[in-house]
Amino acid sequence: KQEVTQIPAALSVPEGENLVLNCSFTDSAIYNLQWFRQDPGKGLTSLLLIQSSQREQTSGRLNASLDKSSGRSTLYIAASQPGDSATYLCAVRNSGGSNYKLTFGKGTLLTVNP
Amino acid sequence: DAGVIQSPRHEVTEMGQEVTLRCKPISGHNSLFWYRQTMMRGLELLIYFNNNVPIDDSGMPEDRFSAKMPNASFSTLKIQPSEPRDSAVYFCASSSEGGPYEQYFGPGTRLTVT
Repeated sequence: KQEVTQIPAALSVPEGENLVLNCSFTDSAIYNLQWFRQDPGKGLTSLLLIQSSQREQTSGRLNASLDKSSGRSTLYIAASQPGDSATYLCAVRNSGGSNYKLTFGKGTLLTVNP
Repeated sequence: DAGVIQSPRHEVTEMGQEVTLRCKPISGHNSLFWYRQTMMRGLELLIYFNNNVPIDDSGMPEDRFSAKMPNASFSTLKIQPSEPRDSAVYFCASSSEGGPYEQYFGPGTRLTVT
């Protein structure tokens, strides 16, 4: 059974700092991995999706990497801003018969202080 | 497109009452997912529909929960009778079948059962 862990559970940084959020998963037979952002009281917004054959994806100040063999992904946020404050969730889609399923980590609550 | 639409956004009800949550997926998407989010357990998949047919309902907690998808543009999740432990945020998500199967989430329904 796939398990996804996100460390740290919470992170507080000053504005302008570069930061890394970590995600690990137990089963390396994945189809893809998705990073989401969740603002308080809101739904999930997809940030980046990395296919199993890819090593990284970039969007603006965000860069996500994937090391499938070691079961790890990182989300790098450059020059953080107060508007980046949110919960960041990592979700893994397994390959195989149940490839519709996303297994989520519990998220990292990020606070960027002005 | 307006994205995934859910109603109501908030629901407060008394234990024992019937609760119905509604979802309209993104037009053209043929996969629909219902999730539940709690602090303790994070995001859990309750049920998955493909082309209006329930494919995987293994996440439905018990017989008090039921879900329907009468057509491609509407789904309901019903809890009868509701219990305080059902209090959570319920999300609906949709995706199209052509890969990478990126899921788009609605804003959620916050359910409180007193």
